[in-house]
Amino acid sequence: DGGITQSPKYLFRKEGQNVTLSCEQNLNHDAMYWYRQDPGQGLRLIYYSQIVNDFQKGDIAEGYSVSREKKESFPLTVTSAQKNPTAFYLCATEDRLGANYGYTFGSGTRLTVV
Amino acid sequence: GIQVEQSPPDLILQEGANSTLRCNFSDSVNNLQWFHQNPWGQLINLFYIPSGTKQNGRLSATTVATERYSLLYISSSQTTDSGVYFCAGSIQGAQKLVFGQGTRLTINP
Repeated sequence: DGGITQSPKYLFRKEGQNVTLSCEQNLNHDAMYWYRQDPGQGLRLIYYSQIVNDFQKGDIAEGYSVSREKKESFPLTVTSAQKNPTAFYLCATEDRLGANYGYTFGSGTRLTVV
Repeated sequence: GIQVEQSPPDLILQEGANSTLRCNFSDSVNNLQWFHQNPWGQLINLFYIPSGTKQNGRLSATTVATERYSLLYISSSQTTDSGVYFCAGSIQGAQKLVFGQGTRLTINP
């Protein structure tokens, strides 16, 4: 089945640690996105990538980093510089060419600082 | 950037009722989409609807691009329709979607 796999589903981070959230897709979509959702809020864009080896900052990129070495993978690192990382993180891809135009989301990773 | 306003913020209905959710944009948008987030957090794309009307079963959506708003209609609500509904769009030339704050819909049996 084609889709987006985010792992882990739950992640606990100690103060001062870097953690990496995985996002893998087999939909053959070029564009990938990372969003952050806080309780009771909408989604805010962290980073996005239109093509392999290229990515751009979104609205809240500070304290985060990404890479796009393969079309299928777009990992997000939450660094120690992110002061309030506890949130729900969602990865999405965008189909711009096929019949199902629009965004497809993964099931998300819930990150908690302990 | 564009502002996306959704109304109402909360809606509580009995099973079988109909509902209309609204999304207003501060500027002209393209790439307008509606999503449903279930209680477990999964976001499902309901419609890609930059203009016109689309229907999918009990759900339909209408976008009036010239007046910068979109409507989502849910008929004969079921408890599984509960969750948060988001609309999102992007301005001309931009790739990234901007999301509204969502409408939380609760359908009681």
